[in-house]
Amino acid sequence: DGGITQSPKYLFRKEGQNVTLSCEQNLNHDAMYWYRQDPGQGLRLIYYSQIVNDFQKGDIAEGYSVSREKKESFPLTVTSAQKNPTAFYLCASSIDNTRGGEAFFGQGTRLTVV
Amino acid sequence: GQNIDQPTEMTATEGAIVQINCTYQTSGFNGLFWYQQHAGEAPTFLSYNVLDGLEEKGRFSSFLSRSKGYSYLLLKELQMKDSASYLCAVSPGLTGGGNKLTFGTGTQLKVEL
Repeated sequence: DGGITQSPKYLFRKEGQNVTLSCEQNLNHDAMYWYRQDPGQGLRLIYYSQIVNDFQKGDIAEGYSVSREKKESFPLTVTSAQKNPTAFYLCASSIDNTRGGEAFFGQGTRLTVV
Repeated sequence: GQNIDQPTEMTATEGAIVQINCTYQTSGFNGLFWYQQHAGEAPTFLSYNVLDGLEEKGRFSSFLSRSKGYSYLLLKELQMKDSASYLCAVSPGLTGGGNKLTFGTGTQLKVEL
């Protein structure tokens, strides 16, 4: 079955550490996205990628980095520069970044700083 | 800029009908999406409107008025499993940066007996 997979589901990080969240899709989608969700707030866009080897900052990119070396994969690194990283992180993909195609979401990674 | 407003919470009775409203102001428009999200889970797609009018899909319908910057999601014959957060999201289109969605804060719907 095609889908989008995020791992791990739960992640604990010590302050000052970098951590990488995995996102893989086998839907053959060109566009991929990373969102952050905090309680009482909507999803906020961190980074997005329209095609392999290209990505753009979203609304809250500071303290995060991404890569898009393969079409299927779009990992997100939460760096020590991100001052408040505890949140629910959602990865999504869509067929095309220029048309109104629906976005498919992974199951999310809940990151907690300890 | 992008601004999407929807009520924070709503409560309805099992078997009833509920309407969740969404108003938006965005720099471009290429469609409006509704997603359902249960606590701790991924959002799942419910509907997409790009033209004015009503789109019906089973117990769920969605309406769009582009001139008014307004949409609503209508849920009929409510079931307990419909208790979830309902997210309104707008695609800005090419003028606003492609298909990256801007989400409202979500409406938490509680269905009671």
